Amino acid sequence: GDSVTQMEGPVTLSEEAFLTINCTYTATGYPSLFWYVQYPGEGLQLLLKATKADDKGSNKGFEATYRKETTSFHLEKGSVQVSDSAVYFCALHDQTGANNLFFGTGTRLTVIP
Amino acid sequence: NAGVTQTPKFRVLKTGQSMTLLCAQDMNHEYMYWYRQDPGMGLRLIHYSVGEGTTAKGEVPDGYNVSRLKKQNFLLGLESAAPSQTSVYFCASSYVGRKGYGYTFGSGTRLTVV
Repeated sequence: GDSVTQMEGPVTLSEEAFLTINCTYTATGYPSLFWYVQYPGEGLQLLLKATKADDKGSNKGFEATYRKETTSFHLEKGSVQVSDSAVYFCALHDQTGANNLFFGTGTRLTVIP
Repeated sequence: NAGVTQTPKFRVLKTGQSMTLLCAQDMNHEYMYWYRQDPGMGLRLIHYSVGEGTTAKGEVPDGYNVSRLKKQNFLLGLESAAPSQTSVYFCASSYVGRKGYGYTFGSGTRLTVV
């Protein structure tokens, strides 16, 4: 079945460092891919998405490119801020009738000043 | 504000007690979901609904029941709580349209079973 494998954390970076969180997927066909962010004590918020191969999703300085060849959707940011500290989830869209999302295990990012 | 509202936000139960978690959405979304979030396991789907009056099992349905009597509400019930059901529960709703689909999540319910 469809699944998402996400880089395990936690990840601790200094402010202005470069961020990469790896995400690979297994799926039949070409599902839409998402990154969600969860700030402390809150629910999940959509960070960015890509709906087809070679699409690049971007938001708030974060980027991820849908790579069909490597079945990957790695999250990157060139310069992280303390306010980026959160848990990040990679997810793919269930292409069956449930219209569900399959989530990775989440990666906790802590950015220190 | 439009969105998904979950009640309660926190709850402590004793083993064997029952409770119902309420999820309400005001976006007229057809689909609704209940997930549980556990450390190191991401979000796992418990039950979902593709429309009013319908429900279906997800990945981890055992020990839970759901009902969707009204389009805007999706209830999650625990008939006899167990410590293994200690978790954070998230409700979500989604639409499917010509431009794709979107999901909105509630802020979560933290449940502790002692």
